[in-house]
Amino acid sequence: RKEVEQDPGPFNVPEGATVAFNCTYSNSASQSFFWYRQDCRKEPKLLMSVYSSGNEDGRFTAQLNRASQYISLLIRDSKLSDSATYLCVVTPMNTGFQKLVFGTGTRLLVSP
Amino acid sequence: NAGVTQTPKFQVLKTGQSMTLQCAQDMNHNSMYWYRQDPGMGLRLIYYSASEGTTDKGEVPNGYNVSRLNKREFSLRLESAAPSQTSVYFCASRGSGNTIYFGEGSWLTVV
Repeated sequence: RKEVEQDPGPFNVPEGATVAFNCTYSNSASQSFFWYRQDCRKEPKLLMSVYSSGNEDGRFTAQLNRASQYISLLIRDSKLSDSATYLCVVTPMNTGFQKLVFGTGTRLLVSP
Repeated sequence: NAGVTQTPKFQVLKTGQSMTLQCAQDMNHNSMYWYRQDPGMGLRLIYYSASEGTTDKGEVPNGYNVSRLNKREFSLRLESAAPSQTSVYFCASRGSGNTIYFGEGSWLTVV
């Protein structure tokens, strides 16, 4: 089983739609969680960290469910510019040096 | 505001040739990384350097060597390139926080 798993998509949604992605992780001792965004042929960039209590940044909401070992990303009022691949990132605990484990990404396509 | 700079951006190599990917960061970060990204495989860690003078193997180190020349620079060397090393390579750095900053990537094709 992969340490971090994501549905590769693509998720095809119209502008204005609400879309949600999940990401599951296998290491129950995982410590930190993030969502990164990667545009086509570009480098990944941090979208947001995921906190235990859940957090929101504008149209984006991230949540963590430790009991079921998954994190989620909700995008409201989708824009064309949201089209990208969203990478789930997890850092396991007790690695001494923080090792980030990347999911393979979920592709989102927002259409007019 | 350069951030993480890596060169070259594109390279075509013949099997058996060697080359070095260069990476430099201007954020005074201690930690630096080299990843490769392949379709369906996600980002996989090749080598990392937790601080100047130290390097360690990641998930897929075979066929690669690295040098942490100083705090700013972390290079990746392919001694004898193989077609399986055709990939996109990303250098990255991380400071005291959890945010990792990536370079723009190097597209390498081995024929």
